[in-house]
Amino acid sequence: GAVVSQHPSRVICKSGTSVKIECRSLDFQATTMFWYRQFPKKSLMLMATSNEGSKATYEQGVEKDKFLINHASLTLSTLTVTSAHPEDSSFYICSARVGLAGGESGNEQFFGPGTRLTVL
Amino acid sequence: DAKTTQPTSMDCAEGRAANLPCNHSTISGNEYVYWYRQIHSQGPQYIIHGLKNNETNEMASLIITEDRKSSTLILPHATLRDTAVYYCIVRGNPRIYNQGGKLIFGQGTELSVKP
Repeated sequence: GAVVSQHPSRVICKSGTSVKIECRSLDFQATTMFWYRQFPKKSLMLMATSNEGSKATYEQGVEKDKFLINHASLTLSTLTVTSAHPEDSSFYICSARVGLAGGESGNEQFFGPGTRLTVL
Repeated sequence: DAKTTQPTSMDCAEGRAANLPCNHSTISGNEYVYWYRQIHSQGPQYIIHGLKNNETNEMASLIITEDRKSSTLILPHATLRDTAVYYCIVRGNPRIYNQGGKLIFGQGTELSVKP
């Protein structure tokens, strides 16, 4: 399957600082990327969907000014957690979807390994 | 997107088949059943998907009931490395406009494979 990478894999920051997480599709072009957040012992929660070259669509309850998403190219999306607080500490996972053509639905979506954010 | 119901946890002996059930009674005709798994502290991994027919690949088999209201994921010979949370997700076809395409995760089943 296609490979999605995330950087950094782990980050620790102080309250009030901003943190940027990168998501890259390594061997395919991703017209759509998704960002998820996962708290310990909980399921993945979809935060936002971003399409290359346009503004991200945020899920209900997710603050767009706090979680800035940029999808400037077909292989890179970034999530910036602004003015981070301890409650933002979480596991952030991105997912990239292959550009689609007509046909049956298949395994078009691939997940990154996740980024563990700890805010002190 | 239709919701799914899965048991919270299951145990399976190493080498035996693991059968993970999923109920999706409100599934609509154009929605697919997808299975992913997540090993601790990693990103989700695709396992298999299907629409109506049973499917098999190198990882697992997917059995979908005729009325499509439930399905079972079968790992034929479970190993310790299959210990993970398994998610059953119902999703429209993202290749078709306006059928959605977001993967919305429920709570999943925590499968523990024991020696």
